[in-house]
Amino acid sequence: KQEVTQIPAALSVPEGENLVLNCSFTDSAIYNLQWFRQDPGKGLTSLLLIQSSQREQTSGRLNASLDKSSGRSTLYIAASQPGDSATYLCAVMIQGAQKLVFGQGTRLTINP
Amino acid sequence: DAGITQSPRYKITETGRQVTLMCHQTWSHSYMFWYRQDLGHGLRLIYYSAAADITDKGEVPDGYVVSRSKTENFPLTLESATRSQTSVYFCASRGTGTYGYTFGSGTRLTVV
Repeated sequence: KQEVTQIPAALSVPEGENLVLNCSFTDSAIYNLQWFRQDPGKGLTSLLLIQSSQREQTSGRLNASLDKSSGRSTLYIAASQPGDSATYLCAVMIQGAQKLVFGQGTRLTINP
Repeated sequence: DAGITQSPRYKITETGRQVTLMCHQTWSHSYMFWYRQDLGHGLRLIYYSAAADITDKGEVPDGYVVSRSKTENFPLTLESATRSQTSVYFCASRGTGTYGYTFGSGTRLTVV
């Protein structure tokens, strides 16, 4: 059974810092990996999608990497801003199925 | 409006009542999903559908019924609501090929 773990569960950093969020998964037979952002009381917003054949994806200040063989992904946020404060969720799509398996998320707080 | 919409946004119902949560998407995506989000459990898959008239159980299907007579709609029915079904429910869709998931804004359901 695929399990997804995100560490740390919560992170608080001062504005302007670069930071890394971690995601690990137990079964490397994934189709893709998706990072989402969730603001309190809101839905999930897709940030980046990495196909299993890709190593990384970039969007603005965000960069996500994927190492399938080691079962790891990282989300790098450059020059963090208070508006980046949210919960970040990592999810993998299981190969041969359409289901997403989610991690528990990292709650990020950027202090002005 | 294009996208995926859920209704109602908030719902309070009594134990034992039947309640239906609606989900509508405008992209003609083949796949649609229902997840519930609970503190301590994260996001868990309830049911999903690969196409009209094709549905399958997810991780936590007990107490729920789904149907998909049209590609764009995927309602979720709680046949006899229980307090344990108090949760935030998210609908999602995905096209075929190398696409990620898109989530709706969610329905916050309280069973009293």
